Amino acid sequence: EAQLLESGGGLVQPGGSLRLSCAASGFTFSSYAMSWVRQAPGKGLEWVSVIRGTGGSTYYADSVKGRFTISRDNSKNTLYLQMNSLRAEDTAVYYCAKVYYDTSGYFGYWGQGTLVTVSS
Amino acid sequence: QSVLTQPPSASGTPGQRVTISCSGSSSNIGSNPVNWYQQLPGTAPKLLIYSNNQRPSGVPDRFSGSKSGTSASLAISGLQSEDEADYYCAAWDDSLNGHVFGSGTTVTVL
Repeated sequence: EAQLLESGGGLVQPGGSLRLSCAASGFTFSSYAMSWVRQAPGKGLEWVSVIRGTGGSTYYADSVKGRFTISRDNSKNTLYLQMNSLRAEDTAVYYCAKVYYDTSGYFGYWGQGTLVTVSS
Repeated sequence: QSVLTQPPSASGTPGQRVTISCSGSSSNIGSNPVNWYQQLPGTAPKLLIYSNNQRPSGVPDRFSGSKSGTSASLAISGLQSEDEADYYCAAWDDSLNGHVFGSGTTVTVL
């Protein structure tokens, strides 16, 4: 069964940077699109970004476009999210998810999440 | 403000049927499959229904989904206490070129 383990969260000042990682196991990582979804404290789910299995295509929510970069290393079975120019409103639990049926498909498995807090 | 509209709450007594609606537009629900996620308190979301009405292995058959035009719905038949959770609909949006979620519905078992 698929397993996803996020790491890299923590406290960062506004304007700072952070890189999240998601280690995948239990499935052929390169065959699946992967995505990041976040949830601010007490709020609903917000999609952040998705990347194709080959890494060739990426998509972003308008709220993070130009500041966040999704990438993957299929040799390490790891998904990344580089977050720059962080704002208070980026404070959230960030989940990685395995996507079925390419980038526009459904989130079949979710990790447990990693908390990012943007505050001075 | 979420692109997909859901009622903030729904409730029922054990054994009752509860329905949650999800309203969208031609660029999302109208042209792409709808998926539903369940989030139990303090846990990560979990896939509940995919491709409008398909249940993943392990999801009880009291959960069902449907879609018509630009709206979708999730039904829980025979409501149980362990169904208390937040439920989210989601779909790909062709205009935004991204996934969109509903605002979520909290189900309470009275």
